Amino acid sequence: NAGVTQTPKFQVLKTGQSMTLQCAQDMNHEYMSWYRQDPGMGLRLIHYSVGAGITDQGEVPNGYNVSRSTTEDFPLRLLSAAPSQTSVYFCASSRLARFYNEQFFGPGTRLTVL
Amino acid sequence: KQEVTQIPAALSVPEGENLVLNCSFTDSAIYNLQWFRQDPGKGLTSLLLIQSSQREQTSGRLNASLDKSSGRSTLYIAASQPGDSATYLCAGNTGNQFYFGTGTSLTVIP
Repeated sequence: NAGVTQTPKFQVLKTGQSMTLQCAQDMNHEYMSWYRQDPGMGLRLIHYSVGAGITDQGEVPNGYNVSRSTTEDFPLRLLSAAPSQTSVYFCASSRLARFYNEQFFGPGTRLTVL
Repeated sequence: KQEVTQIPAALSVPEGENLVLNCSFTDSAIYNLQWFRQDPGKGLTSLLLIQSSQREQTSGRLNASLDKSSGRSTLYIAASQPGDSATYLCAGNTGNQFYFGTGTSLTVIP
């Protein structure tokens, strides 16, 4: 099993550009999520999904869109990149079970917005 | 909203020492508490998951405990090694959202 995969590993954008960060998992997990990690602020939840066709906002959703058309894939779209979106982005997946939902993380995407 | 705090932010110990990392949370209605390890420039690796009905979990030299009533979890590392040097993060979930602490950066000195 590949687990959780993310592409690209690195990306540089100019202000105003758009892009999509890809995330895929092969563990048949219902729950998938996106986080951003910034120095001194820990990981913050951007969006999450509890199954195909179902998404919801996390703590810091502004400027980001998501969709979940399949169980395996959960792309994150930046609509109009801003320097404040410079960060490391992590995708994670887990089972949906309330009492056992160990999260597994991808390797991350380092995004710089100039 | 669940607030998760990890103190200290950084810790340096000599090799072979036993150590404890702390994690505190504000909402006792927590479903699970998970401990992760993160190496510089890398993703998060799951270490231990403690379900709300459990009080502790063990894996090798690691032991994690959970006390919901006091809002605390601890990660005990026995006989520390230089390879244990990393940032350790805890995360708790209530409902469908997970909340992370800012981590403890551990350095084990040979």
